[in-house]
Amino acid sequence: QSALTQPPSASGSPGQSVTISCTGTSSDVGGYNFVSWYQQYPGKAPKLMIYDVTKRPSGVPDRFSASKSGNTASLTVSGLQPDDEADYFCTSYGGTNVLLFGGGTKLSVL
Amino acid sequence: QVQLVQSGSELKKPGASVKVSCKASGYTFNNYNINWVRQAPGQGPEWMGWIHSNTGKPTYAQAFTGRYVLSLDTSVNTAYLQISGLKAEDTAVYYCARKSLCGSSACYGAFDLWGQGTLVTVSS
Repeated sequence: QSALTQPPSASGSPGQSVTISCTGTSSDVGGYNFVSWYQQYPGKAPKLMIYDVTKRPSGVPDRFSASKSGNTASLTVSGLQPDDEADYFCTSYGGTNVLLFGGGTKLSVL
Repeated sequence: QVQLVQSGSELKKPGASVKVSCKASGYTFNNYNINWVRQAPGQGPEWMGWIHSNTGKPTYAQAFTGRYVLSLDTSVNTAYLQISGLKAEDTAVYYCARKSLCGSSACYGAFDLWGQGTLVTVSS
């Protein structure tokens, strides 16, 4: 199975909202409700922002929300702040012993 | 403090082996399974597999069979990744990550605690 498809970059101004997509297939994103999103600063480990498509771990601001439609999952960051500038990766379960990552999206806050 | 601390960077020649450690502290090691993720320079992450923290049974992603071995030493709360027959394309940062506990959900892919990463460079 191939990696999930994300746009390489996204951008927005402070206070605006931006949405990042993550496209898979019916065998992964579309077939299971196990999509997660991670935030990663350069040289740092990823941080879990969303799991099970829409759930936020404790401590993640509610400015981060997510959804799924068909084979595409989406992460929305509302009220953009400068420290939201980072790379964002999606993951999806793809069946037994399959966990796929997206290629990542670099979010710029202009 | 709840953390995963990995061993330091490694520089290896092609054909050599490397063993990366991931020491857990601040939580009950046996309650959480450990996953491993590879991230090559400038690339998205790849899931390598996971190891059951109670039984020590490893499970590998299809692309990571043969040269990769996941293991545990529960006496020191440490997980290990060993790679043999290193190739230039194994050059990457390797992360261990703790699988979340999500109540009734299996929450596949939810890793709530990560090590700092170990850079393995393979070069002659």
